Amino acid sequence: NAGVTQTPKFQVLKTGQSMTLQCAQDMNHEYMSWYRQDPGMGLRLIHYSVGAGITDQGEVPNGYNVSRSTTEDFPLRLLSAAPSQTSVYFCASSYSRQGSYEQYFGPGTRLTVT
Amino acid sequence: DAKTTQPPSMDCAEGRAANLPCNHSTISGNEYVYWYRQIHSQGPQYIIHGLKNNETNEMASLIITEDRKSSTLILPHATLRDTAVYYCIVRVPYNNNDMRFGAGTRLTVKP
Repeated sequence: NAGVTQTPKFQVLKTGQSMTLQCAQDMNHEYMSWYRQDPGMGLRLIHYSVGAGITDQGEVPNGYNVSRSTTEDFPLRLLSAAPSQTSVYFCASSYSRQGSYEQYFGPGTRLTVT
Repeated sequence: DAKTTQPPSMDCAEGRAANLPCNHSTISGNEYVYWYRQIHSQGPQYIIHGLKNNETNEMASLIITEDRKSSTLILPHATLRDTAVYYCIVRVPYNNNDMRFGAGTRLTVKP
C-alpha cells in the first residue's frame, strides 16, 4: 500500500490564483481530512469527509472547497489564493467507525502564496 | 472538546527514558487519550492511545492517572531519531472531526 499520497510536494502561487491540492489513499478508509500547519503551530482542521459525497467544515474552512466523488480521492481547492494561506497542508485518512483509533497522514504540500 | 496542556519543550539524553506529560483535566468519560508525533515537518505519526488503563506497544508506553486528568507518554530508551514534536490529543475515537492538535511538546534527544 502507498498509504496517503499528496501532490504536489511544493507549490508557489501568486495572490488571486486558484489551484487544487491532490490527496489519495489506497486503504479504503471512509474518513479523510485536510489540515493546515502554520510555522510553529499545531495542525488545524480545514475540511473533512466521512464518505463519498459527504463533506463538512472543520475549524478553518474559509477560502477552501472540497469534494469527495470517490472513496480514494479528496482534493482541496484554493479558490483565490491569499498570502495568509501560505502553509503546509496535510491530508489524513482513517476508518470511520467505532474502534477506529489511528489517522494516517500524508507527507504534506508546502504552499507559498506571494 | 477536552483541552490538553503540554510543556513547550523538553530535553532527554540518548538512551534514557523520555517522559512527556499531558494534562487533560476536562476529559469526559468516552474520550480517549491519543499521542502523535511529528518528525521534522513530516506528516504526524500515530504512537499510542488509551482510555483508562496503561498501554504499551513497540514504540512507547502510556500511563493514565486513575482520575484520567493527566497522562504521561514514555519512550523507554530515547534515540536521536525520537527528536520530534509530540502531540497529546483527547477525543472520541470515531468522531474524527475532534482531532484538535495543540502546539505539542518539542522533544530534543541529545547525544
